[in-house]
Amino acid sequence: NAGVTQTPKFRVLKTGQSMTLLCAQDMNHEYMYWYRQDPGMGLRLIHYSVGEGTTAKGEVPDGYNVSRLKKQNFLLGLESAAPSQTSVYFCASADPGGLEAFFGQGTRLTVV
Amino acid sequence: ILNVEQSPQSLHVQEGDSTNFTCSFPSSNFYALHWYRWETAKSPEALFVMTLNGDEKKKGRISATLNTKEGYSYLYIKGSQPEDSATYLCAHSSGNTPLVFGKGTRLSVIA
Repeated sequence: NAGVTQTPKFRVLKTGQSMTLLCAQDMNHEYMYWYRQDPGMGLRLIHYSVGEGTTAKGEVPDGYNVSRLKKQNFLLGLESAAPSQTSVYFCASADPGGLEAFFGQGTRLTVV
Repeated sequence: ILNVEQSPQSLHVQEGDSTNFTCSFPSSNFYALHWYRWETAKSPEALFVMTLNGDEKKKGRISATLNTKEGYSYLYIKGSQPEDSATYLCAHSSGNTPLVFGKGTRLSVIA
């Protein structure tokens, strides 16, 4: 059972570089989320999607873009990475009732 | 985005002690309250999802209660063990809004 899969698991970027993080889920969930986790800050919502073709901003959306072209995939893009975006990124998906979220294993991103 | 507050931020208890944490959330437009257990270097794992005022859930030595009218939930751990050491997150959702997490309570159980 794959569940929620994030790629890559680790990445080091130079300031100004771009990259895309991929989240894939095989549970036919409508809702997908991207969070970032920083020490002492818990999980902060970056962007989310309530269905294919829809996206919305979360608590900390600046510097990120997302796309949900296919129901099973939710992409998080950094157009011009900054050191402040060094973090661990978690993707999650939720069932149609939104009653339980399943998380990926996280992507540790370092921007130097 | 609705605010979710958790207290305390961190907690150290001796093995065998019982403990509890608090999660406060907006009581308007309530849909569900979630508790997650999050170990270092792993992804958060769901413990409970509660939807009804007065709900009580239990899993082994861990239990949770919910008061939607006043906007709080308690998580209880009876007879803490070292393997209970983790960060406990609560999250709130209101219908179509996304899960909003608190900052978590970091529990350390000392043997």
